[in-house]
Parts: sequence; structure tokens; C-alpha cells
Amino acid sequence: DGGITQSPKYLFRKEGQNVTLSCEQNLNHDAMYWYRQDPGQGLRLIYYSQIVNDFQKGDIAEGYSVSREKKESFPLTVTSAQKNPTAFYLCASRSVGQSGNTIYFGEGSWLTVV
Amino acid sequence: QKEVEQDPGPLSVPEGAIVSLNCTYSNSAFQYFMWYRQYSRKGPELLMYTYSSGNKEDGRFTAQVDKSSKYISLFIRDSQPSDSATYLCAMSGTAAGNKLTFGGGTRVLVKP
Repeated sequence: DGGITQSPKYLFRKEGQNVTLSCEQNLNHDAMYWYRQDPGQGLRLIYYSQIVNDFQKGDIAEGYSVSREKKESFPLTVTSAQKNPTAFYLCASRSVGQSGNTIYFGEGSWLTVV
Repeated sequence: QKEVEQDPGPLSVPEGAIVSLNCTYSNSAFQYFMWYRQYSRKGPELLMYTYSSGNKEDGRFTAQVDKSSKYISLFIRDSQPSDSATYLCAMSGTAAGNKLTFGGGTRVLVKP
């Protein structure tokens, strides 16, 4: 089935460690996104990419990094520079060029700093 | 002031009632409007998608857009306990690279 797969579902990080969240899509979508969601709050955009080997900062990019070496994959690294990384992370994708701007989400990854 | 405002709730209704949700926005460039449903600890799923002003109906769900008032609504008829979730509105402009701007979400509880 087509969709967006995020892994791991749950991840624990020690202070000072970098962690990488995986996001893979088989929808042949051009654009991919990473959002952060804190309890009781809406979604905030971290990074997005509209084409392979190119990406742009979103509203809260500090302390995060991404890469887009393949169309299907858009991993997010939460670095030790991110001061408050505990959150729910959502990956999404969209097909650029279709009418409209609907995006589709993965099931999310929970990151907890211990 | 946030670009998209949404009452966080919770909105509690009895089973079978009509659920009424809404968002207001300030950016007149928004042309695409979406509603997502998010169950606890899950990713949001797209419920309704509308372009510009007007109404759209899909089963028990009706989405309305009033661009003159910068106001969008989602109505859920014959609500069920399984409709208990957080509902997020989202919107964007027409350019291909435009990002979605989300409301903060409204938590809905449908009591049996």
C-alpha cells in the first residue's frame, strides 16, 4: 500500500545526543515536510524539501538538520543543540504540480529526552 | 495574533448531535482550505479539502468557506463516539511552493 512510513515510533534520547528520525514515502511525491507537535498545540514546520538535494528552513529549524538524497526519503536529525526536543514529530508529503496543496502525514515519531 | 485561530476546546457533545467547528484567518491570499482529524498519538488524516469559497459535503461531513469573512467551518452530523478526536484546520495560498498554515486544533468529545 502507498503511504508514508516513519520510524521509530518511540525514541528516547539522552542529553547531548543526536538522533535521526526516518521518513520514507512510496507515493512518488515531490515535496516532503517535517513538523513538530507539542501537547495541546498545533503543528510547527521544521524543514521542507520540494526537490531532491534541496531543502528550506521552516519556522523552527534551529537545532535540526535534514537531507534529501533520494525522492523517497527525508530523514530528520535532532541535534544536541535543540534545547527542548521532547515532542511528537510528523513527516508529510505532497505532490507538487497537482491542483491544490493537500499534504498527507505519516503516523509520527515520539521523541523523549531522558 | 496568529495567522489562523482555532478554539482549542474541548467541545463535548452527546452522541447524535451536530458538531460545529470553525477557524478564522487573516491572510487573504489563502485559497485552499483543509480539515484534518487526528486521533491521540496518531498522524493527522485528511478529512475535507475545499478550494476558494463555498460548501462541500462528504457523507456526514460538510465544510464551508466564507472568504469574505475569512471564516471556515466543519460540521459533523449524527456524531459518533468514534468522532472523538482533535480536528485541525489548515490553509494555503495558490503557489506550488506555498506551505500549509495550521490552526491549533479543537479537541472534540462525543459522549455515548
